[in-house]
Amino acid sequence: DSGVTQTPKHLITATGQRVTLRCSPRSGDLSVYWYQQSLDQGLQFLIQYYNGEERAKGNILERFSAQQFPDLHSELNLSSLELGDSALYFCASSDPNFSGSNYGYTFGSGTRLTVV
Amino acid sequence: KNEVEQSPQNLTAQEGEFITINCSYSVGISALHWLQQHPGGGIVSLFMLSSGKKKHGRLIATINIQEKHSSLHITASHPRDSAVYICAAESGNTPLVFGKGTRLSVIA
Repeated sequence: DSGVTQTPKHLITATGQRVTLRCSPRSGDLSVYWYQQSLDQGLQFLIQYYNGEERAKGNILERFSAQQFPDLHSELNLSSLELGDSALYFCASSDPNFSGSNYGYTFGSGTRLTVV
Repeated sequence: KNEVEQSPQNLTAQEGEFITINCSYSVGISALHWLQQHPGGGIVSLFMLSSGKKKHGRLIATINIQEKHSSLHITASHPRDSAVYICAAESGNTPLVFGKGTRLSVIA
């Protein structure tokens, strides 16, 4: 167990639907990052939150949104789903000063989303 | 924007062989990360380094800042090392930029 918890592990849904992915960061980490990994694209950064505030945005579609709550867990909302949204979605957390880790980032086990 | 290139894309080795995976990047960085992704999908951070060399068990990571190049070495490779190895470049406060990964298969 890495300390970063992602739920659900697997999700199958139909096109046009909306889903919510959840991430609980490692205890003490203030930053949460969301990444998408599709077969042909590799890992792509979506968005980062730090202590409840959006810190950086990557190639995140307008149909996707995220937030980080006061307890520091984060949710990634994907709406109007398309077949091409099928991918692994990872979150990672970090201590901004990397003081608690030799490795900087701790990844969750991912949510595999299949849109049919 | 940083461009991160890894080589080789695929690598098959016999058990016991010494393995090297290379990573190059285009823009100066504050840190270089090596990640391991097993077939089940989970990602594990192996190393974060900004200079020199780090070692953890049979894994060694090196970085040459001047040449913008890093290598991950695996000594005495074992079938359980079979995974995708990904390098990622970090520049200040900008998000990680990932290489496409190297798929390693170690055959007994």
